[in-house]
Amino acid sequence: DAGITQSPRHKVTETGTPVTLRCHQTENHRYMYWYRQDPGHGLRLIHYSYGVKDTDKGEVSDGYSVSRSKTEDFLLTLESATSSQTSVYFCAISGTGTLEAFFGQGTRLTVV
Amino acid sequence: GESVGLHLPTLSVQEGDNSIINCAYSNSASDYFIWYKQESGKGPQFIIDIRSNMDKRQGQRVTVLLNKTVKHLSLQIAATQPGDSAVYFCAERVQGAQNLVFGQGTRLTINP
Repeated sequence: DAGITQSPRHKVTETGTPVTLRCHQTENHRYMYWYRQDPGHGLRLIHYSYGVKDTDKGEVSDGYSVSRSKTEDFLLTLESATSSQTSVYFCAISGTGTLEAFFGQGTRLTVV
Repeated sequence: GESVGLHLPTLSVQEGDNSIINCAYSNSASDYFIWYKQESGKGPQFIIDIRSNMDKRQGQRVTVLLNKTVKHLSLQIAATQPGDSAVYFCAERVQGAQNLVFGQGTRLTINP
């Protein structure tokens, strides 16, 4: 899986609680992405990063924040989880000069 | 493992037959296209890509065709095997953007 580790792999949390998902890469790639995958919607971009402390919003960024303090780590935070954020979350990376993205194994998040 | 989707377009083919998966993309400014394969419980895996200055590209048992006139992309898999059963996604990159935009996916089932 191209040196990408997502943690946790599964999480159940209550509505209103904060949640942080972590993506760790060992490829030293510049770009990192967070996608969510839902039935009927495919993969949708939440946020992405183009360098340390450089991030930008994606298609479905409301309710999410991200941080990247090191090249290898990209954190996705749900400040106050809602049931609509129940989903499978995928982290992806890509390098400078390449366009294909490599994906992690995913995190299944359930908000009850 | 993570479920991919409950209401995807589906395609069933006999083992050994060829399969063709189609994708319509939306943006005439897209200049790069990619096909991913996603097996149950795993993240998407790169299969093959093509740039907009090409009409066809071949890999091992796979061929991607691009018709820019009608904004259509197809993935041909030759001599299908049971391991080809998965959900297949096309993705496009709009010129100048870094991220990929994904289609909803097609579930391919290989019958013995």
